[in-house]
Amino acid sequence: RKEVEQDPGPFNVPEGATVAFNCTYSNSASQSFFWYRQDCRKEPKLLMSVYSSGNEDGRFTAQLNRASQYISLLIRDSKLSDSATYLCVTDTGRRALTFGSGTRLQVQP
Amino acid sequence: ETGVTQTPRHLVMGMTNKKSLKCEQHLGHNAMYWYKQSAKKPLELMFVYNFKEQTENNSVPSRFSPECPNSSHLFLHLHTLQPEDSALYLCASSQGPSGTPDTQYFGPGTRLTVL
Repeated sequence: RKEVEQDPGPFNVPEGATVAFNCTYSNSASQSFFWYRQDCRKEPKLLMSVYSSGNEDGRFTAQLNRASQYISLLIRDSKLSDSATYLCVTDTGRRALTFGSGTRLQVQP
Repeated sequence: ETGVTQTPRHLVMGMTNKKSLKCEQHLGHNAMYWYKQSAKKPLELMFVYNFKEQTENNSVPSRFSPECPNSSHLFLHLHTLQPEDSALYLCASSQGPSGTPDTQYFGPGTRLTVL
């Protein structure tokens, strides 16, 4: 079983749509959770950390469900510039990070 | 953005060559990492250095040899690689070490092709 599982997509959505990505992780000892964004042929960049209480940053909302070992990312009012691969990331319990394979989003005009 | 730089950006090498990848971070961080990203696979952690000391080797073959002369520089020495080693090699740094993993900042990567 993969440590971090994500639906690879692609998710093709029109501009202005709301889209949600889900992720499950297998290590119950994980303490830290992140969403990274990776544009085509570029490096991953931190989008947001995910806190137990849930957090919001503009159009982006992240949620964590520890009981189900499940993380989500909601993007409202999608923009063309949101097109990218979104990586779900957790820690290994040893301070290193484990990355999911990513979910590809394509926002269309 | 020049927080983490990597050179070269692209590298083509034969299986008998020896080459080195270089990473430099200008963020004052104490932890540095090497990752491998192959097509359609998640990032794979290779090595972790904290305060110049290697703290993790994720069962990486010995044909990959890391070197960390100081907290700002990280090298990956390559020798007798295989075609399946062709991938994007990403360097990252973080403030670390701390009790929980902190945000990692990535360099642009070196796209390696082994012929």
